[in-house]
Amino acid sequence: SQTIHQWPATLVQPVGSPLSLECTVEGTSNPNLYWYRQAAGRGLQLLFYSVGIGQISSEVPQNLSASRPQDRQFILSSKKLLLSDSGFYLCAWSPGRGQPQHFGDGTRLSIL
Amino acid sequence: KNEVEQSPQNLTAQEGEFITINCSYSVGISALHWLQQHPGGGIVSLFMLSSGKKKHGRLIATINIQEKHSSLHITASHPRDSAVYICAAFMKTSYDKVIFGPGTSLSVIP
Repeated sequence: SQTIHQWPATLVQPVGSPLSLECTVEGTSNPNLYWYRQAAGRGLQLLFYSVGIGQISSEVPQNLSASRPQDRQFILSSKKLLLSDSGFYLCAWSPGRGQPQHFGDGTRLSIL
Repeated sequence: KNEVEQSPQNLTAQEGEFITINCSYSVGISALHWLQQHPGGGIVSLFMLSSGKKKHGRLIATINIQEKHSSLHITASHPRDSAVYICAAFMKTSYDKVIFGPGTSLSVIP
């Protein structure tokens, strides 16, 4: 069966520090991968999606970047975190377009 | 106006009550996804539907494409159903663009 792993679960970082969040999927190949952010009291917002290795598309301009170095690995990064980057970050995968998305457990990021 | 709206925003029910959560959308969609977010933040996929009705255990989801409306029903509610329920609209685009509703926070009291 397919599983998705996301880590760390919680992270406290100072403003201006770098960020790296990792997400891996097991039990499937060539999944569509997604990064979402949920700010406090707000709905989920799509940050990045990827349909294949090295293929990254962004929904909104921001301080973050994403990479997909391997088929089932999706990384969310920042060179310098801002206070506004605080939130709950979720990775998700789907078998393909129009298919249900399956979510990781999320990373709660606090910027101090 | 948000493209995907949910009502009510918050809901408190007594154990055993029948619960309805509504989702309306203003855009063309290919499918609608109902999700459950637990207090710790983890999200579970409940239903994905593009027409009619689906049932799983005590949960029932319906969608009316013409009226751009979907409902999630919970029969015989239980405290373990307490969570945030989110509807997500899959857009008719070349990729999986999904617009999420703001969520409905449900609390079921014993």
